Amino acid sequence: GQQVMQIPQYQHVQEGEDFTTYCNSSTTLSNIQWYKQRPGGHPVFLIQLVKSGEVKKQKRLTFQFGEAKKNSSLHITATQTTDVGTYFCAGFNSGGSNYKLTFGKGTLLTVNP
Amino acid sequence: ETGVTQTPRHLVMGMTNKKSLKCEQHLGHNAMYWYKQSAKKPLELMFVYNFKEQTENNSVPSRFSPECPNSSHLFLHLHTLQPEDSALYLCASSRHGDSYNEQFFGPGTRLTVL
Repeated sequence: GQQVMQIPQYQHVQEGEDFTTYCNSSTTLSNIQWYKQRPGGHPVFLIQLVKSGEVKKQKRLTFQFGEAKKNSSLHITATQTTDVGTYFCAGFNSGGSNYKLTFGKGTLLTVNP
Repeated sequence: ETGVTQTPRHLVMGMTNKKSLKCEQHLGHNAMYWYKQSAKKPLELMFVYNFKEQTENNSVPSRFSPECPNSSHLFLHLHTLQPEDSALYLCASSRHGDSYNEQFFGPGTRLTVL
């Protein structure tokens, strides 16, 4: 079945440093979504990427979708303590069910002030 | 506040108990989901309902029984669970249509099976 791998599993940075998490799918995706889960909280939708090679920005966050629609990345510039949490990528399999969102294991980001 | 509520927030039960988790969405969505989140594992999709009809059952053991009486309410009935079923159970909803839409998650029920 479809697998979505995410690396790294953990990342600890000093406040002000940059952070990147990478997502790779074993199959081609129709689209990819990113979610953030604060400690003790629930996943909250950040963004959706649909087009091959798409790049979207939200303030200090930059999201990319690979040309082959099998990988994606999230980059945070100049991290802040409010960025702490687990970042998940999740994708719909191309040609598969449009209900079944497959999540990666997530990258836990901690920020040292 | 995401518009998706779950009760109870915490539940401790023995292996012989029967309990139910409840989810309610106030967003006018038509699709609702149950996920299981365990430590060191990805979010696992359990069930999907669209307009009250079950569209996905992701090979979930029969000790988990979902119920969707209408598009706003979703239940997960639990019986004879195992300790390995201890996890955070998350409900989500989305507006399902021609495009893929984001899912809105509830706060979850932290379940402990003794």
